[in-house]
Amino acid sequence: GAVVSQHPSRVICKSGTSVKIECRSLDFQATTMFWYRQFPKQSLMLMATSNEGSKATYEQGVEKDKFLINHASLTLSTLTVTSAHPEDSSFYICSAGTDGSANTGELFFGEGSRLTVL
Amino acid sequence: AQKVTQAQTEISVVEKEDVTLDCVYETRDTTYYLFWYKQPPSGELVFLIRRNSFDEQNEISGRYSWNFQKSTSSFNFTITASQVVDSAVYFCALSEFGNEKLTFGTGTRLTIIP
Repeated sequence: GAVVSQHPSRVICKSGTSVKIECRSLDFQATTMFWYRQFPKQSLMLMATSNEGSKATYEQGVEKDKFLINHASLTLSTLTVTSAHPEDSSFYICSAGTDGSANTGELFFGEGSRLTVL
Repeated sequence: AQKVTQAQTEISVVEKEDVTLDCVYETRDTTYYLFWYKQPPSGELVFLIRRNSFDEQNEISGRYSWNFQKSTSSFNFTITASQVVDSAVYFCALSEFGNEKLTFGTGTRLTIIP
């Protein structure tokens, strides 16, 4: 089946620094990818929809200047947490679908990236 | 707006017991998809099942079974003869037809006691 890979799986950074997380579709092209965030012992909340070649669409309450999303190719979307603070510590996970996923509901998730901001 | 409710926050059962995880959903769409995912301590989401709103047939896969009832907007998940490896957080989720965004429930933490 289709594979989505995230990198890094774990990252620890100092407060005030920026961190980039990559989401790659390894064997298919994804015009749309999704970024979710999961606080400890909580559910996954959609942060934004990443559209190849255009601006991302952010969910209400998500700061677009804080969480920069770039989807420069059909196989790569990046999430950059700018000027990270301890409250940004979370598990970030991406998902992608193949052509027709919107109609079939078939989606693939990355392994997730655990960010810890000191 | 869509909503997924998993009323059971945590469940503990003794190994080999059967356990059912409840999921109730709300949507205005007539066509939608329902999902169950397993999230072990490592964090990755393990896909278990996807069911479209037109298919109300119950499904069985090994020790797993799912009961989809549109009349009660429920999509419950049963594990029979539970094993320690089943310990994880289980999420029920919903997406609209034509939209790949998922709305997740709050999850049920299942602990199987040896």
